[in-house]
Amino acid sequence: QVHLLESGPGLVKPSETLSLTCNVSGYSISSGYYWVWIRQPLGQGLEWIGSIYHSGSAYYNPSLKSRVTVSVDTSKNQFSLKLSSVTAADTAMFYCARGRGTSGTTWFDYWGQGTLVTVSS
Amino acid sequence: DIQMTQSPFSLSASVGDRVTITCRASQSINNYLNWYQQKPGKAPKFLIYTASSLQSGVPSRFSGSGSGTDFTLTIRSLQPEDFGTYYCQQSYSTPITFGQGTRLEIK
Repeated sequence: QVHLLESGPGLVKPSETLSLTCNVSGYSISSGYYWVWIRQPLGQGLEWIGSIYHSGSAYYNPSLKSRVTVSVDTSKNQFSLKLSSVTAADTAMFYCARGRGTSGTTWFDYWGQGTLVTVSS
Repeated sequence: DIQMTQSPFSLSASVGDRVTITCRASQSINNYLNWYQQKPGKAPKFLIYTASSLQSGVPSRFSGSGSGTDFTLTIRSLQPEDFGTYYCQQSYSTPITFGQGTRLEIK
């Protein structure tokens, strides 16, 4: 069974960089598939942030592209998200997920439980 | 960006009812349409991919149909555990986008 678990600070100050890690178990990232970050402001809908293939090819939402970096560490079987220059509008539940499909256009078959990140001074 | 629009915004139905949720894309997405169920405080659960293929382990009362721009999710014989918010998602092109969600309440 594939299991994903997000970790990282729950509170980030405005203008700083949000950093999250997703640990994957039950599947080797280097075997394939895309590895994805999605966020959901409380009470709102889902927003795709970005996806990375095990080889390192990444796709980002243009609305966030200038501030987002997704990276993968196959030796630790984990992938990470960095979102810079955060504001209160970035406060959300952040999910990591596994993506199936091609060329970054995927559906998401396994999800982490989510981690709430609040941007506040 | 491809905009995904769901209807209705919310609905209330009784156990045993047949429920249909629709999703419309702002341009043709062939059959690259996927569905998720989310319960309060939980991560979304993957239900259906490429419009009509049921994910392993999902009850057969769930089904999906459609192609091009118009899609439906049908729940045949609604069960109490089917409450939650349902989202459609297009995987035709990046940026990947979701519908705004349909909240399903059990009467």
